[in-house]
Amino acid sequence: QTVVTQEPSFSVSPGGTVTLTCGLSSGSVSTAYYPSWYRQTPGQAPRTLIYSTNTLSSGVPDRFSGSILGNKAALTITGAQADDESDYYCVLYFGSGIWIFGGGTKLTVL
Amino acid sequence: QVQLVQSGAEVRKPGASVTVSCRASGYAFTAYYMHWMRQAPRQGLEWMGVINPSDGSTTYAQKFQGRAAMTRDTSTDTVYMELSSLRSEDTAVYYCAREEIQRLSRSEFDYWGQGTLVTVSS
Repeated sequence: QTVVTQEPSFSVSPGGTVTLTCGLSSGSVSTAYYPSWYRQTPGQAPRTLIYSTNTLSSGVPDRFSGSILGNKAALTITGAQADDESDYYCVLYFGSGIWIFGGGTKLTVL
Repeated sequence: QVQLVQSGAEVRKPGASVTVSCRASGYAFTAYYMHWMRQAPRQGLEWMGVINPSDGSTTYAQKFQGRAAMTRDTSTDTVYMELSSLRSEDTAVYYCAREEIQRLSRSEFDYWGQGTLVTVSS
């Protein structure tokens, strides 16, 4: 069973830049996996940040960007703000209608 | 405006079944897939499966094949997710979320329901 991997936790200073990654237990992530990124705060439903690798969801500030870095999908946050402190999830498409979420990254801004 | 409204919290005993509904409004129901995800307490998101409301076709995560069943009612723009043979590990918040049907690409889960807590306890 393929596992989608994410860093369990990450920290960034206010105003700083952080890159979260999304990989595979076996193989490389490419645009064919349509990597998407979601942010979730406690008690709330997730909200899209990025989909199809690098498309910004409506209303999301351009401090957020997506890319492929090496063999992983990446979410970069520039100018980190206190309210960016959240859980971040990537999800990959494996074809035939199947999606798999990563385990999530807890981002701390301090 | 687009809304996905889910049914209320449920409590079930182990071995029982539960059905969660997701009523859509504010958009063309058959133009969007409906996905189901769940999130156990203090855990991450887990994709369960998807239904195409246009033809009722479904795809399930391997883990849920044979135990989950997704159906739709186009007369009420409602999708249903039934999970059977419940065990304590199925205690979670269950979410529906839509994705625009695109012929040659995939899109985002752009609107989510508010979540339904299902508690499995003896």
